[in-house]
Amino acid sequence: QKEVEQNSGPLSVPEGAIASLNCTYSDRVSQSFFWYRQYSGKSPELIMSIYSNGDKEDGRFTAQLNKASQYVSLLIRDSQPSDSATYLCAVNLLTGGGNKLTFGTGTQLKVEL
Amino acid sequence: EPEVTQTPSHQVTQMGQEVILRCVPISNHLYFYWYRQILGQKVEFLVSFYNNEISEKSEIFDDQFSVERPDGSNFTLKIRSTKLEDSAMYFCASSAKLTGLFEGTQYFGPGTRLLVL
Repeated sequence: QKEVEQNSGPLSVPEGAIASLNCTYSDRVSQSFFWYRQYSGKSPELIMSIYSNGDKEDGRFTAQLNKASQYVSLLIRDSQPSDSATYLCAVNLLTGGGNKLTFGTGTQLKVEL
Repeated sequence: EPEVTQTPSHQVTQMGQEVILRCVPISNHLYFYWYRQILGQKVEFLVSFYNNEISEKSEIFDDQFSVERPDGSNFTLKIRSTKLEDSAMYFCASSAKLTGLFEGTQYFGPGTRLLVL
């Protein structure tokens, strides 16, 4: 079963802290990895994409990928109340049409004042 | 900044009726997708479309569903005979290239909330 797993949360962090969101995936042929943010009732909004092992930084966000461990994470530094949302991990498989994103259930993040 | 647009934002229909959900992908994108999200559940892939044909579809995308690119800008999802369980948020997405490649990131539209009564 090809799956993407995330802790549903909620993950509560104080304003200014680092939020750490984790995702594991089951299919070793997964090729590319994405973090989307979804506010309640809204559509997924791209935060980060990562294609190779290691870290990728963009502003307050850092994505980390470890293909050997089938693990991808997102760190949010200096968390703000506006970061409160559900964070979706999505994985693309190279097999099949090569275009399908498989999503996890998402982790709800709450940044508290 | 270019974005994916979808109409209508909300649609209420009776069970058994046909609905057409419309999307305008980002103008230079070549790959188009439909996903759905049942309330409280995860986003699920329905279908991908490239070069005027379906490139991949999920088990959800049965004979009741069809997609079409009727002109150079629109991309539609038709549900022929809606069921109660079709009630969900439907998202259209587009990408410039294959998602496994750099620049293959999928960008999502705002969604159409479909309610089947």
